[in-house]
Amino acid sequence: GENVEQHPSTLSVQEGDSAVIKCTYSDSASNYFPWYKQELGKRPQLIIDIRSNVGEKKDQRIAVTLNKTAKHFSLHITETQPEDSAVYFCAASISNFGNEKLTFGTGTRLTIIP
Amino acid sequence: GAVVSQHPSWVICKSGTSVKIECRSLDFQATTMFWYRQFPKQSLMLMATSNEGSKATYEQGVEKDKFLINHASLTLSTLTVTSAHPEDSSFYICSATLGQGRGYTFGSGTRLTVV
Repeated sequence: GENVEQHPSTLSVQEGDSAVIKCTYSDSASNYFPWYKQELGKRPQLIIDIRSNVGEKKDQRIAVTLNKTAKHFSLHITETQPEDSAVYFCAASISNFGNEKLTFGTGTRLTIIP
Repeated sequence: GAVVSQHPSWVICKSGTSVKIECRSLDFQATTMFWYRQFPKQSLMLMATSNEGSKATYEQGVEKDKFLINHASLTLSTLTVTSAHPEDSSFYICSATLGQGRGYTFGSGTRLTVV
């Protein structure tokens, strides 16, 4: 099955600086890669996603890049703000009709230092 | 749109009792639902995939007789933790696929504490 590794497990960044979180996946058939932000005791919230036919996607301060050959994808947050502090999870799935099982990375606890 | 309502949000039960967690899709039909378990400071681990009208598919290491999943309709899936023990204390979250590659929506989670 799919295995998703995520690094770093913790990340502290000065407010205003950029944060980068990296993930690798094992199943070359995976074609959908979402990123989630989770606050304590809450459900994961989708912040951005990318599909395998695209190399990069950006939404304001958040961007995701995908390297299919190397099987890795990264989350980039620019101009970080205190409210960006949370746990971030990457995930991967094989999106098709029927079973679209989503496998999560191990998570990154991001702390923005004011 | 695409809201999954999960209840209860938290529950405390005695060891040896059973607890049922419900997930309802409010404005769409969820053919497939996923059940995850999340221990403190850990990731979401998939427990099982629930398909409407058929038996759930459990991940390796998950006891199907302990975690009973029922998906009898396109809008309701339930997870019953039977004979709960303290080690079953965790955060349980359901998720539904929106189909055709449109991503996922998550329930609000259930914090289960077994005493």
